[in-house]
Amino acid sequence: DAGVIQSPRHEVTEMGQEVTLRCKPISGHDYLFWYRQTMMRGLELLIYFNNNVPIDDSGMPEDRFSAKMPNASFSTLKIQPSEPRDSAVYFCASSSQEDYGYTFGSGTRLTVV
Amino acid sequence: GDSVTQMEGPVTLSEEAFLTINCTYTATGYPSLFWYVQYPGEGLQLLLKATKADDKGSNKGFEATYRKETTSFHLEKGSVQVSDSAVYFCALRVSGAGSYQLTFGKGTKLSVIP
Repeated sequence: DAGVIQSPRHEVTEMGQEVTLRCKPISGHDYLFWYRQTMMRGLELLIYFNNNVPIDDSGMPEDRFSAKMPNASFSTLKIQPSEPRDSAVYFCASSSQEDYGYTFGSGTRLTVV
Repeated sequence: GDSVTQMEGPVTLSEEAFLTINCTYTATGYPSLFWYVQYPGEGLQLLLKATKADDKGSNKGFEATYRKETTSFHLEKGSVQVSDSAVYFCALRVSGAGSYQLTFGKGTKLSVIP
């Protein structure tokens, strides 16, 4: 199994531009989570899905952020328009009901200038 | 709500020293407990877990025991190596009503010097 795959690994964009982060979970996992990691705030849960349905999006900072999961093997996190304060490492993780832990991807380091 | 408190770092140890990273928790239900490790530039990896009281999780020389009476899950290793330098996260998960959300502590950075 290739694990949770995220792309791109690094993204540098200008303020105001749209950014799309991508995630492919582990096959068979029915939970998918998006986290943001910064030095100031640590790990923050943004949103999670169960069977492709968003369950809790209370961590999404504002309307500029949106996430979709059109099928069991793909999810996106979109920021439009991006701002410098969105600079962070964004992690995707997946899990199944039988698992007791998550499997994380390697993350996308986003820099908004 | 659920929360995890772990000792603040950074922690700097010499190689072969004994390591303890404290972790305590509060939970609304009966949690499963985890330690994750994050090496520089990488995502978090599950290090060990315990799902019920008095369970001991262990992996790669690290151990942690689920102590319900003290609501703790301290991470220990008898002899650290330079390769153990990383950030360690304690976490809990209370399953119920379809919730499988992990709650993380803020992380403890460990640096091991030769």
